[in-house]
Amino acid sequence: AQSVTQLDSQVPVFEEAPVELRCNYSSSVSVYLFWYVQYPNQGLQLLLKYLSGSTLVKGINGFEAEFNKSQTSFHLRKPSVHISDTAEYFCAVKQGGSEKLVFGKGTKLTVNP
Amino acid sequence: DAEITQSPRHKIIETGRQVTLACHQTWNHNNMFWYRQDLGHGLRLIHYSYGVHDTNKGEVSDGYSVSRSNTEDLPLTLESAASSQTSVYFCASSVTGGASERTEAFFGQGTRLTVV
Repeated sequence: AQSVTQLDSQVPVFEEAPVELRCNYSSSVSVYLFWYVQYPNQGLQLLLKYLSGSTLVKGINGFEAEFNKSQTSFHLRKPSVHISDTAEYFCAVKQGGSEKLVFGKGTKLTVNP
Repeated sequence: DAEITQSPRHKIIETGRQVTLACHQTWNHNNMFWYRQDLGHGLRLIHYSYGVHDTNKGEVSDGYSVSRSNTEDLPLTLESAASSQTSVYFCASSVTGGASERTEAFFGQGTRLTVV
C-alpha cells in the first residue's frame, strides 16, 4: 500500500528565512503528488500538484516543489516565508488508477517575527 | 460558485448515540471521500464512493457507514458513537474521467465531533 512520510512534524523559522518541508513516498510505477495547506480551523487548500512533465512545480503563495523519482521525494520550498505562512502542510499521493489520496501526518510550520 | 459544505460544524454527543454528518457538493463530482484528522495521524480515509450507490471502506472504517443515493451527498453515520471517534471529520470530492483522474480533491471546512 502507498505511504507518505513527512520527516518533520514541526518546523519553526523566522520571517523572511527560506524553508523546506520534506516529503517521501513509497515507490510506485506512477504517482501523482500534492501539497495541501491547512490554516487554523479551516479545511485543506491545494498548494500545488505534480502530475507529469517538469519536475519543478510552482504553486500558490510563492511555494514550489521538486519531484525526484529516484529518491521518491517531493519536498516543498519557499525562498522567503511570511508570518501568514504559519499553517499545517500536508503531502499527499494518489497512485495511478486510484482516486484515493494518501496523506502524510503533516508538518506544522510556524513563522516567527 | 461550486462548493462543498459540511454540517454541522461542531457537534457534541453522548457515547452510544447515533449521529450523521452531512456532506454536500455542488461540483457534480463523482468521487466523494470522508477523512478523519487526529493529532499525530494526519488524515485517514474512512469511506469513499466513486458514484451513486457505490461505497467502499477506507483504512479506518470500523464504526462508520455511508450511503450514496445521489451525486451531491455522502452522509457519514456513526451507529454507536465511542470516545475514540472524537475527531475532526473532513469530506472531500473529486472527478474522474480521462486525464481528469489526476485532478486534486476539494475539501469541506470540517466537522468537529466530540463524544462524551
